[in-house]
Amino acid sequence: GDSVTQMEGPVTLSEEAFLTINCTYTATGYPSLFWYVQYPGEGLQLLLKATKADDKGSNKGFEATYRKETTSFHLEKGSVQVSDSAVYFCALGEGSSNTGKLIFGQGTTLQVKP
Amino acid sequence: NAGVTQTPKFRVLKTGQSMTLLCAQDMNHEYMYWYRQDPGMGLRLIHYSVGEGTTAKGEVPDGYNVSRLKKQNFLLGLESAAPSQTSVYFCASSYYASGGFDTGELFFGEGSRLTVL
Repeated sequence: GDSVTQMEGPVTLSEEAFLTINCTYTATGYPSLFWYVQYPGEGLQLLLKATKADDKGSNKGFEATYRKETTSFHLEKGSVQVSDSAVYFCALGEGSSNTGKLIFGQGTTLQVKP
Repeated sequence: NAGVTQTPKFRVLKTGQSMTLLCAQDMNHEYMYWYRQDPGMGLRLIHYSVGEGTTAKGEVPDGYNVSRLKKQNFLLGLESAAPSQTSVYFCASSYYASGGFDTGELFFGEGSRLTVL
């Protein structure tokens, strides 16, 4: 079945460092891909998404490009801030089920130090 | 805008007790979901609903039941709680419209932390 694999965390960076969180997926059909963020004590919220190959999703300085040839959707940010400390989840929407279900990766914890 | 509201936010149960988690959304979404979040395992889908009066099993449905009697509410029940059900439970809703591919964003509640002793 469809699945999502994220790089292991936690990731600890200094403020203004470059961030990459790797995400690869296995899926049949043409899924949409998402990054969600969970701040401490809160629910998940959508960070960005891409619905087809070569699409680039972007929001709040974060970017991710849907790479069908490498089945990847890596999250990047050029300069992280302390306020970016959170758990980041990569997810895919099952393209063939028509249920809107999302399959999530295990999450990657990011800690940014001043 | 309330969005997705879950009650209760915290609950401690003894093994064998029963309880119901309530999820309410005010966005007129057709689709609703219950996920559980466990360390190192991300979010796993328990049950979901694609409309009022419908429910379906997700990845980890055993030990849970659900009901969707009203479009805005989605209830998750534990008939006989077990320590393995200690987790954080998230409800989500979506305006997803079927049409061949997924584009719908999920809107999440703040979570319900359940501890089973």
